[in-house]
Amino acid sequence: GENVEQHPSTLSVQEGDSAVIKCTYSDSASNYFPWYKQELGKRPQLIIDIRSNVGEKKDQRIAVTLNKTAKHFSLHITETQPEDSAVYFCAASRPEYGNKLVFGAGTILRVKS
Amino acid sequence: GAGVSQSPSNKVTEKGKDVELRCDPISGHTALYWYRQSLGQGLEFLIYFQGNSAPDKSGLPSDRFSAERTGGSVSTLTIQRTQQEDSAVYLCASSLAGTGPLFGEGSWLTVV
Repeated sequence: GENVEQHPSTLSVQEGDSAVIKCTYSDSASNYFPWYKQELGKRPQLIIDIRSNVGEKKDQRIAVTLNKTAKHFSLHITETQPEDSAVYFCAASRPEYGNKLVFGAGTILRVKS
Repeated sequence: GAGVSQSPSNKVTEKGKDVELRCDPISGHTALYWYRQSLGQGLEFLIYFQGNSAPDKSGLPSDRFSAERTGGSVSTLTIQRTQQEDSAVYLCASSLAGTGPLFGEGSWLTVV
């Protein structure tokens, strides 16, 4: 089955710097890759997603890139702010499994002001 | 309501007792998921319902766990003979076909 690995497990950046979180997946048939942000004690929130027919997607300070050949995708946050501090999870799913997501282990992002 | 609703929000139960957790998905969402998250850990898939198809139960950790979805809407996750290792947040999510699941606030289960 699908296996998603996420790096780094923790990331500290200075406010205003960029943050990059990377994920690799094992199943070449996976075609949907969402990212979730989870603040302490809160539910995971979908922040951006990308499908395999697109190489990059951007939404304000957040962007996601996908390299299907290498089977990896990344989350980029620019001009980080303290409120970006949270745990970020990547995930992947195959079309025939609907949206049954396999999640990465998560990255704790700390933005220092 | 506008979002996924879960109840109870918190549950403390004695080891060996059965518990039921309820999920009300977003109206019109055909897919419903249950995930489990232990303290400080990632999201563990439990079960997935899609329309009238047979559910994918491949993530249920033991036969003490079961779930049903009635009328294509509300779902109940049942844990029988609870153990301390069952203590976790149980998260329900729902989605339309082809979109990312949206999560509820979770049911925090503590087995003492």
